[in-house]
Amino acid sequence: TQLLEQSPQFLSIQEGENLTVYCNSSSVFSSLQWYRQEPGEGPVLLVTVVTGGEVKKLKRLTFQFGDARKDSSLHITAAQPGDTGLYLCAGRTGTASKLTFGTGTRLQVTL
Amino acid sequence: EAGVVQSPRYKIIEKKQPVAFWCNPISGHNTLYWYLQNLGQGPELLIRYENEEAVDDSQLPKDRFSAERLKGVDSTLKIQPAELGDSAVYLCASSLGADSPLHFGNGTRLTVT
Repeated sequence: TQLLEQSPQFLSIQEGENLTVYCNSSSVFSSLQWYRQEPGEGPVLLVTVVTGGEVKKLKRLTFQFGDARKDSSLHITAAQPGDTGLYLCAGRTGTASKLTFGTGTRLQVTL
Repeated sequence: EAGVVQSPRYKIIEKKQPVAFWCNPISGHNTLYWYLQNLGQGPELLIRYENEEAVDDSQLPKDRFSAERLKGVDSTLKIQPAELGDSAVYLCASSLGADSPLHFGNGTRLTVT
């Protein structure tokens, strides 16, 4: 069973600070996705990365896929209270099409 | 477009009772998923449908859980009998195809007392 470990598990920061969330596995993924989930709602897709070394930017969020396609990171610049939520990475391997979610990182941004 | 609709939003039952959850996916989405999510953790796949066929149910506890997707549209997930450890959020998601992005519903929060 593939396992996606996220770190840190919990992060509490003040508005304006920068942060990085990591997603690591021993498995190689054909693609990796990042989701954000707010309380009482389902996860919402932020980005999909498919190429080793790929970097994608979404406003203040920067996503990077590792060269070996085993890990990924999410960097948030100048965090805002609206960034608060549970961040989930999810990887898909080859032709299995099964999407496996990571353990999650709960982010809290305070004023 | 209308999103994935799940009902009920909340359900409280006593252990050993049956419970059922309903999901209406986005129109035209052939792939439907049921996930279980414990508090603060990532979702875990229970079952995936391609149209009306269950193509991955390896993580579904078949002694007490069952699911169906008649006509390849709506789906129901049933637990009978429920156990205390089944308390969690049950998420339904749909996608155009097996490798397309997932769209999640808001889930059903189950509490077993």
